[in-house]
This record gives sequence, C-alpha cells and structure tokens, in this order.
Amino acid sequence: QVQLVQSGAEVKKPGASVKVSCKASGYTFTNYDINWVRQAAGQGLEWMGWMNPDSGSSGYAQKFQGRVTFTRDTSINTAYMELSSLRSEDTAVYYCAKAFCVIDCYSGSEWFDPWGQGTLVTVSS
Amino acid sequence: EILLTQSPATLSLSPGERATLSCRASQSVDRYLAWYQQKPGQTPRLLIYDASSRATGIPARFSGSGSGTDFTLTISSLEPEDFAVYYCQQRFNWPLTFGGGTKVDI
Repeated sequence: QVQLVQSGAEVKKPGASVKVSCKASGYTFTNYDINWVRQAAGQGLEWMGWMNPDSGSSGYAQKFQGRVTFTRDTSINTAYMELSSLRSEDTAVYYCAKAFCVIDCYSGSEWFDPWGQGTLVTVSS
Repeated sequence: EILLTQSPATLSLSPGERATLSCRASQSVDRYLAWYQQKPGQTPRLLIYDASSRATGIPARFSGSGSGTDFTLTISSLEPEDFAVYYCQQRFNWPLTFGGGTKVDI
C-alpha cells in the first residue's frame, strides 16, 4: 500500500536549520508531487509548498520563501524538507503528503492523500 | 490569500445523529474544495475532494456539496469513530489554505 514514512522528532535551537525526510513506498515516487504541511500544537493546518520528484522543481508558499527548501533523492524514493533560521513559532508537526488529483491537475494545485505520520520539530533555546 | 471559515467550531452530537459542517470561502473557489478528517494523535485523512467526490474507502455516510463560496460536509448518521476534527481545504489559488476546523464531539 502507499505509505510515507518520515524521520524522527527533532529539537533545534533558534537560528538553526532542520531537515526532515519522507520515504515513499507502494507507488512510483516520481509520478506524484510531494507537498509539505505543518501543524502547530492545537492549531490548524498550514501548507508550505510542493515538489515534483521527477524534475526536482518546487513551489513555496510566500510565507516560507527564502527559508525552506525541498529536495529529493530518487534512488531511495525520499523527499526532504529543510527549514532554516528556525524560531520558536516554527515549533510544529511537519507532514509530507502525496499529491492526489483527478481533474484540472497541476503542481501546487492538488489534494493530499495519504500523509506521512508527521515529524515533531521543537525549537527551543 | 483565500480565507476558509468553518462553522461551527464545535459540534456536539450523539451517535446516530446527522452532522452538518460548513465551510465558507472569502472568494469563489469553484469546486476546488476538499474535506479531511483528523482524529487525535493521527494524521489527516482525505474524505471528499472536488467538493463532492468521496475518496477511496470513505463510507457513503460522508457526503459533500456546494460550489463557489459555500460548502457543506454531511455525515448522515454518526458512528463512534467519526468523532474527530474536520478541515476543509481549497486548491483554487496559491497559497493552498485550510479552514480552522470543526470539532465533532460527543
């Protein structure tokens, strides 16, 4: 079955960077975009952007432009999200999600199904 | 940025009752709206996409309707496992945005 398995929890100091991995299985990794969404404790969901694992192209929500980078390693079916200049407000669970779309589909305009299990990133001095 | 407003914030119902959740967009999103379910400690799960299409494996008691700015998720008869938080999401415009969620509790 389609599965996304993310790396474990991280604790970082303000100003540092974090890199979260998302390993895909059960489907052809390069055929579907990977999106990243985060959720602060007790809060709603916030979309960060998308990456096309085939081409490596990506798009970022303006809020994260300049601080986030999506990459991938197609040899091991793994996507990565790196967030830099961390601040306390970045403390959240970070999810990767496989793109799902039936009509009018294009990168950055898709649904999310399924999701990874989430990675808690804590930013604290 | 398209703002999605969900109401009510909390819906207190009993098993077997009908649940009606609302999602209102600050501008038209055509039919580019989805609903997700998130249970405590779990990841979100896609329920409905393109306003009214059920995702694979989603029971028929879940249905979605609406277009433009007003959308509804209906759970026809609540099962114990349906008590969760429900989010709507639009893909009409960047950035993709989510509503604040409706908690359905007992």
